[in-house]
Amino acid sequence: DAGVTQSPTHLIKTRGQQVTLRCSPKSGHDTVSWYQQALGQGPQFIFQYYEEEERQRGNFPDRFSGHQFPNYSSELNVNALLLGDSALYLCASSPGTGGRGNTIYFGEGSWLTVV
Amino acid sequence: AQSVTQPDIHITVSEGASLELRCNYSYGATPYLFWYVQSPGQGLQLLLKYFSGDTLVQGIKGFEAEFKRSQSSFNLRKPSVHWSDAAEYFCAVGPNRDDKIIFGKGTRLHILP
Repeated sequence: DAGVTQSPTHLIKTRGQQVTLRCSPKSGHDTVSWYQQALGQGPQFIFQYYEEEERQRGNFPDRFSGHQFPNYSSELNVNALLLGDSALYLCASSPGTGGRGNTIYFGEGSWLTVV
Repeated sequence: AQSVTQPDIHITVSEGASLELRCNYSYGATPYLFWYVQSPGQGLQLLLKYFSGDTLVQGIKGFEAEFKRSQSSFNLRKPSVHWSDAAEYFCAVGPNRDDKIIFGKGTRLHILP
């Protein structure tokens, strides 16, 4: 059983560019969340997708957007990249049956460097 | 507001010594608590979780944690650390009804040979 898979694992972008990160949830999971982990910090919640809609959002600007596909996979898009967007982006999946008590699984992450 | 505090940024212990990593939380309802470990350049691996019941929780790799409601704490312990335990450890609270997890800033564990 494959866990949460993310791609690409590493990428370098230039300020002002746009980036798309991808995530396939663990089998049987229909809820996908994205987190940003800056160097030396804990992960911070960006947003969550369930049934192809954004269900909840953290304190991130509109430059951060996402999408969930019918197969539950998800994309995170970041526009107009800033140097401060350099971070590890983690995808997490869960069964999403209503929240409490679900075990959430994380992928290995995508390392984004903005230069 | 919900929050997690890990007061120790770095901890160094000798191999074979015991370990305790501290975690305090602020949460409006009965918390769901987690400890994750992150090795350099890796994603997050769940060590253990507390939802309800016995307040002493056993996890993987020989770790355990104790939930103390009166102290709003969920400290992680291991009786004898191994060099492979060197990593970053994150305490987290949640998920709330929408599966959002709130993480602490982490404690980096260093192991002396």
